[in-house]
Amino acid sequence: QKEVEQNSGPLSVPEGAIASLNCTYSDRGSQSFFWYRQYSGKSPELIMSIYSNGDKEDGRFTAQLNKASQYVSLLIRDSQPSDSATYLCAASGGYNKLIFGAGTRLAVHP
Amino acid sequence: DAMVIQNPRYQVTQFGKPVTLSCSQTLNHNVMYWYQQKSSQAPKLLFHYYDKDFNNEADTPDNFQSRRPNTSFCFLDIRSPGLGDAAMYLCATSSIGGDSYNEQFFGPGTRLTVL
Repeated sequence: QKEVEQNSGPLSVPEGAIASLNCTYSDRGSQSFFWYRQYSGKSPELIMSIYSNGDKEDGRFTAQLNKASQYVSLLIRDSQPSDSATYLCAASGGYNKLIFGAGTRLAVHP
Repeated sequence: DAMVIQNPRYQVTQFGKPVTLSCSQTLNHNVMYWYQQKSSQAPKLLFHYYDKDFNNEADTPDNFQSRRPNTSFCFLDIRSPGLGDAAMYLCATSSIGGDSYNEQFFGPGTRLTVL
């Protein structure tokens, strides 16, 4: 069974701090990894994709991938209350599919 | 803007009354997906189309069917909704092949309520 594991949270951080979200995946064959942001009652929105080991930065977001450890993380710098949402980690699962984690709820408090 | 559109956004049906949800896309993506998501859970893949090829997940109930009449449209039919089928239904699209890496883009979802 291919799985993506995330801590459900909530992860509570003060405004302006760095939020660190983590996930692990079970399928060593996974090649691509994604972070989605999902506000309550809304659909997932793709915010980061990463395919190679190392870091990938996009604005306040940095995705980190370590294939040897089967570990993916998302750092959000200068966290804002508008970043409060559930963050879904997903890994490619073969046959055009993604395997999603259940998400980590992030709460940024003023 | 290129996008994924779902209609209706909210659907209320009665127990056992068939319902159809629709999805359309202007992204010209070759793969379309249907997911079911319940509160605080991961999206659960029901099935997907790679072009016209239909791929059903092994644990998708027979109560759920899908049609893709053309590249742009895809439908989810729930033949006899039960109370357990109340959920958010998400349509997503992806472009597979070449240098693409299966980024999936979601529509706004349809919230289904079963009375």
